[in-house]
Amino acid sequence: KAGVTQTPRYLIKTRGQQVTLSCSPISGHRSVSWYQQTPGQGLQFLFEYFSETQRNKGNFPGRFSGRQFSNSRSEMNVSTLELGDSALYLCASSLSAGGNTDTQYFGPGTRLTVL
Amino acid sequence: SQQGEEDPQALSIQEGENATMNCSYKTSINNLQWYRQNSGRGLVHLILIRSNEREKHSGRLRVTLDTSKKSSSLLITASRAADTASYFCATDENTDKLIFGTGTRLQVFP
Repeated sequence: KAGVTQTPRYLIKTRGQQVTLSCSPISGHRSVSWYQQTPGQGLQFLFEYFSETQRNKGNFPGRFSGRQFSNSRSEMNVSTLELGDSALYLCASSLSAGGNTDTQYFGPGTRLTVL
Repeated sequence: SQQGEEDPQALSIQEGENATMNCSYKTSINNLQWYRQNSGRGLVHLILIRSNEREKHSGRLRVTLDTSKKSSSLLITASRAADTASYFCATDENTDKLIFGTGTRLQVFP
C-alpha cells in the first residue's frame, strides 16, 4: 500500500497570508490527525478527523482549521499567518475508530516557513 | 500540552553499544507507543505496549512499562549508525488523543 502523502513538501509564505496543506491517508484509513512540530514546543496535536467529522481538537487558535473529504483525504488551513506558525506540519492516518490513540502512520510532513 | 518527558534529551554512543531512553508521563494510560523520527522527516511507529503489559520486544528493540512509576524505557541493542534519529514516546492520557513527549536525540557513531 502507498504510504501517507502530504503536499506540498515545502512552502514559504509571508505574514498575513493563508495556507492550505493537503494529506492523503493510507488506503482504508479513515482517521486523519494533524500535528505541528517546532523546536520550542515539540509535537503538538492540532486535530483529528474521522469520517468527515472533527473528532478531537488541540489547543490552537481558530486560525487553524481543517476538513476531511468523503475519500478520507484531509486539508488543513491556516489563516492570517504569523511568524510563529513556521513549523513542520505532520499528518498521520490510522484505522482507529475510537480516537487517534492506535498506531499512527505519518507522512513526510510539510515544512512551512513564514517570513 | 505534552504528556511524556524523555530522558536523556540527547545520547551519543558508538556502534555496537546499547542505547537506553526513558519516558515519564503524568496520568494513567491505556497504551504507550514509541516512534522514531529521522531528521526533519515523518515519524515511524516502532512499538505499542498496553497498560497491562510489562515488556515487549521487536527485533533489537525492548520496551518496558512500569505503570506504578508512570515510566517506560526503550532499549536498542547492538546499535547501528542507521539508528541515529530522535525517539519519541506517546501516550493517550486515558483519552482519545495521542500526546507526544519531548524526544531523545540519539547519535550513533560508526
